[in-house]
Amino acid sequence: DTEVTQTPKHLVMGMTNKKSLKCEQHMGHRAMYWYKQKAKKPPELMFVYSYEKLSINESVPSRFSPECPNSSLLNLHLHALQPEDSALYLCASSHSQGARYTEAFFGQGTRLTVV
Amino acid sequence: GESVGLHLPTLSVQEGDNSIINCAYSNSASDYFIWYKQESGKGPQFIIDIRSNMDKRQGQRVTVLLNKTVKHLSLQIAATQPGDSAVYFCAEKNDYKLSFGAGTTVTVRA
Repeated sequence: DTEVTQTPKHLVMGMTNKKSLKCEQHMGHRAMYWYKQKAKKPPELMFVYSYEKLSINESVPSRFSPECPNSSLLNLHLHALQPEDSALYLCASSHSQGARYTEAFFGQGTRLTVV
Repeated sequence: GESVGLHLPTLSVQEGDNSIINCAYSNSASDYFIWYKQESGKGPQFIIDIRSNMDKRQGQRVTVLLNKTVKHLSLQIAATQPGDSAVYFCAEKNDYKLSFGAGTTVTVRA
């Protein structure tokens, strides 16, 4: 199984809503990532978890709250988002963050629209 | 085949021709590089990678070249097919962070 599964595929939420994005992998990877991708732009790193601990936060606003409940799951909790947060949110995983020469596997993404 | 010396945001190529996609990376400390392909509505898909101690690596129909002197990376696709139409991103790994360069949209003409 070389898949990273993200749910939901599409999400529309209001600015006062609270929602969560979910990501799951069963490849035994111990590094998991959240990226944000705007239309026609490259993915931008948001968070990195290594062995279920947050190791990198790229100065992401607190309205985005990541959580890694176990080695297979990664969540992104959303609260009080703005319309400019509308984007494709990508989850990725790789062998441990300490393994330098290893690619990241990406999910299909969640297309988020904030209204 | 089509060849561009600099990074261009778009590349149109005739089916069957070779494609060359260029990328400039920013950090001389980066020691691992990956090319990803992203089709519409999908996440990035791994194509090929190269470590900084190499200058060339070949896969199936794809070749990656690395020039560390000028911090330049290229992806060559042989005999481009309609299924190769996508956005291609190079990515560099530094301090265990994977950062993406600006993509190139490849369109294959029948």
